[in-house]
Formats: sequence, structure tokens, C-alpha cells
Amino acid sequence: KQEVTQIPAALSVPEGENLVLNCSFTDSAIYNLQWFRQDPGKGLTSLLLIQSSQREQTSGRLNASLDKSSGRSTLYIAASQPGDSATYLCAVGWGNLIFGKGTKLSVKP
Amino acid sequence: AAGVIQSPRHLIKEKRETATLKCYPIPRHDTVYWYQQGPGQDPQFLISFYEKMQSDKGSIPDRFSAQQFSDYHSELNMSSLELGDSALYFCASSPRRQGAISPSTDTQYFGPGTRLTVL
Repeated sequence: KQEVTQIPAALSVPEGENLVLNCSFTDSAIYNLQWFRQDPGKGLTSLLLIQSSQREQTSGRLNASLDKSSGRSTLYIAASQPGDSATYLCAVGWGNLIFGKGTKLSVKP
Repeated sequence: AAGVIQSPRHLIKEKRETATLKCYPIPRHDTVYWYQQGPGQDPQFLISFYEKMQSDKGSIPDRFSAQQFSDYHSELNMSSLELGDSALYFCASSPRRQGAISPSTDTQYFGPGTRLTVL
């Protein structure tokens, strides 16, 4: 059974810092890995999708990498801003997604 | 750009009542997924539909049923509601992949969710 783990559970950084969020999964037979952002009580905003044949994806200040052999993905956020404060979730799957419990990020001005 | 629409956004029901949640996918998306997110929990997959047929089933209680209609919108029907059903219910949709014969595994776009409170 696929299990997704995100470390750390919470992270607080000063504005401007570069940071890395980690996601690990137990079954490397995945099709997609998707990173989401969720604000409190709100919906999920898709940030990046990495398909199993890809190694990384970039969007603006975000870069996500995927290493299937080690069962890991990282989300790199450059020059963090207070508006980046949210919970970041990674999810893997073949169609239906299995989510990690998220990393709650707080960026202090 | 058009997004996934869910209605209602908030719903309050009593125990043992029924509820119907609706989801309108992004135009030209043919795959719909339903997820349940309990308080402080990660989203859990319930059920999905591709071309109006159920394509996968997760941890959906027998008290729940769902379907996808000819216009691709989907409804999640919940009966004999329990306190533990209180959660955020998300619908997500994925676009059709050209030439695909199986459900989409492309990016899932989530709706804003329906917050169900069972009293």
C-alpha cells in the first residue's frame, strides 16, 4: 500500500530565504507526483505536476524534482515571501491521488 | 480561466439526513474525482468517473453513491449522515488526453470544496 510522508510537518522561515520541502513515497510505481498548496479552510491549488518519466518541473520561484528510485521528491521555493505561507501537500498516484499530511509553511516578514 | 465548480459551498445537516453535493468540471474535462478531507487530515480519495463510468473506488462508505452525467457533471449522494461525515469534500477534474482510452492521469484541478457539517 502506497504511503506518502512529508517532512517537516511545519516550517517557519524569515522572508527571502530559500527552502526545501520533502516528500517520500513507499511504492516507486507511480504515474504522477503533484504538489499542491492549501490555504486554511480552502481548496487545493495545483502547483506542479511531475510525470514518472520526468525528473523535474519549474514554475516561477518553484522547482520540484522527482527521484523514483529513491522514492523522493523535493519542492524548492526560492526567495520565500509571506504570501507563500500555506500548507504544501504532495500527492502520488495512478489517477486517484494519495496525499501526504503536508508541510505547514510560515514565512515571517 | 474556468475552474471546477462545486455546490453548495456550505451545507449543514442533521444526523441520519441525506445530502447531495454537485461538481461541475472544467469544460472538456472528462474525468472527475471526489475526495474527503476531515479536520486536520489529508484528502482521502473516494471515487472517480471517466466518461460517465466509475473508474476507481477508494474509501467510500456504502452509504455514499455517486454518478457522472451526460454533461460530465457529477453528484455525490450521502445518506444516513453521521457526525464523522463532517468534512470538506473536494471534486477534481482532469482533461482528456488525445487518443487516450483510459482515465486521465494528467494534472488534477480541484474545486473550492463543499464544507459539510453534520449536527
